[in-house]
Amino acid sequence: GNSVTQMEGPVTLSEEAFLTINCTYTATGYPSLFWYVQYPGEGLQLLLKATKADDKGSNKGFEATYRKETTSFHLEKGSVQVSDSAVYFCALSRSGGSNYKLTFGKGTLLTVNP
Amino acid sequence: DGGITQSPKYLFRKEGQNVTLSCEQNLNHDAMYWYRQDPGQGLRLIYYSQIVNDFQKGDIAEGYSVSREKKESFPLTVTSAQKNPTAFYLCASSQGTGPSYGYTFGSGTRLTVV
Repeated sequence: GNSVTQMEGPVTLSEEAFLTINCTYTATGYPSLFWYVQYPGEGLQLLLKATKADDKGSNKGFEATYRKETTSFHLEKGSVQVSDSAVYFCALSRSGGSNYKLTFGKGTLLTVNP
Repeated sequence: DGGITQSPKYLFRKEGQNVTLSCEQNLNHDAMYWYRQDPGQGLRLIYYSQIVNDFQKGDIAEGYSVSREKKESFPLTVTSAQKNPTAFYLCASSQGTGPSYGYTFGSGTRLTVV
């Protein structure tokens, strides 16, 4: 079946450090891939997405590249800020008949210290 | 501004009671979804609806019920048959049901059984 595996957290970094959160997936066909971010006590917000192999999604300094050969979609940011502290979810779209639904990883908690 | 409104933000339920969580969207989105979030488990799909008067079970539908009488509204009822209802519940919508559509999320309802 379709599944998403994220690196386990928590991840703790100092401000301006480089961030990588690993995400690998198992899927049939050609899913679209997403990263969502959840700030404390809130819902999820779409951070970026990629819909086909070799696509790079980017937003707010975050990037992720759809790597079909390694079934990966790792999230990166060159210089994190305290305001980036949140839980990050990797997700893929999966087909359920005519409807595509998102399957989420378990989330990775990022804490950035000043 | 368009978005999804979930209410209430916090809800307390006595054992044996049914409770209904509200979800309203003014984005004119066709598809709506309910997810449950538990610590360390990510998001799990409860029910989804592609169109008014139609809905489908997700991965963990037992003990829950929904209705979709209006495009804007997708309420979730947590019944007394749900054995472990304490969780954070998230409602989402998407413009379409294809693989590249991301979701817009509400800010969630935290349900606690007392």
